[in-house]
Amino acid sequence: EVQLVESGGGLVKPGGSLRLSCAASGFTFNSYTINWFRQAPGKGLEWVSSISSGSTFIYYADSVKGRFTISRDNAKNSLYLQMDSLRAEDTAVYYCARLETVTHGVVFDYWGQGTLVTVSS
Amino acid sequence: DIQMTQSPSSLSASVEDRVTITCRASQSISRYLNWYQQKPGEAPKVLIYAAYSLQSGVPSRFSGSGSGTEFTLTISSLQPEDFATYYCQQSHSTPYTFGQGTKLEI
Repeated sequence: EVQLVESGGGLVKPGGSLRLSCAASGFTFNSYTINWFRQAPGKGLEWVSSISSGSTFIYYADSVKGRFTISRDNAKNSLYLQMDSLRAEDTAVYYCARLETVTHGVVFDYWGQGTLVTVSS
Repeated sequence: DIQMTQSPSSLSASVEDRVTITCRASQSISRYLNWYQQKPGEAPKVLIYAAYSLQSGVPSRFSGSGSGTEFTLTISSLQPEDFATYYCQQSHSTPYTFGQGTKLEI
């Protein structure tokens, strides 16, 4: 069974840092691109970042570029999101999701349960 | 960035109703369009990918159509478990953008 489990969320002050983790199991982790998404309270979904299977291709949303760093450790089947210079508007539930390539484009077929990040003084 | 616009933002319906949600892209995205369902406190779940392909395990009452800039998600006969928020998402190019969501209420 494919599973993605996020951890590392919590309360942090503006300007602070936090590192999220996503532990994967049930599939060949080093064969898949994995993404981070977020959802602010009561709001819609926002794509945050993507990292390819071998970490060759990395992309960020403009809203987090220069502040967030995505990485992965294929030996540990784990994905990370280092979040620095956090702002109130980064408050959200953060999800990791597996990217699957399909006939037209890609789809995010498995998601974790999410971890809540709250940025507040 | 490609902007995705869903309509309506909310919809009231009854069990066994047929409902349709529309999603429009700000530029042509061919069939690079996915639909997700999200229930409160849960992660999104993919229903339809590549505009009209049904994800494995998803009931056949869900269907998708469209290409280019206009797409629809149809639920042929609403069931109690279908009351949720639905999002379209384009996978044509990064950033992968979502519609604002359609909340389907009883």
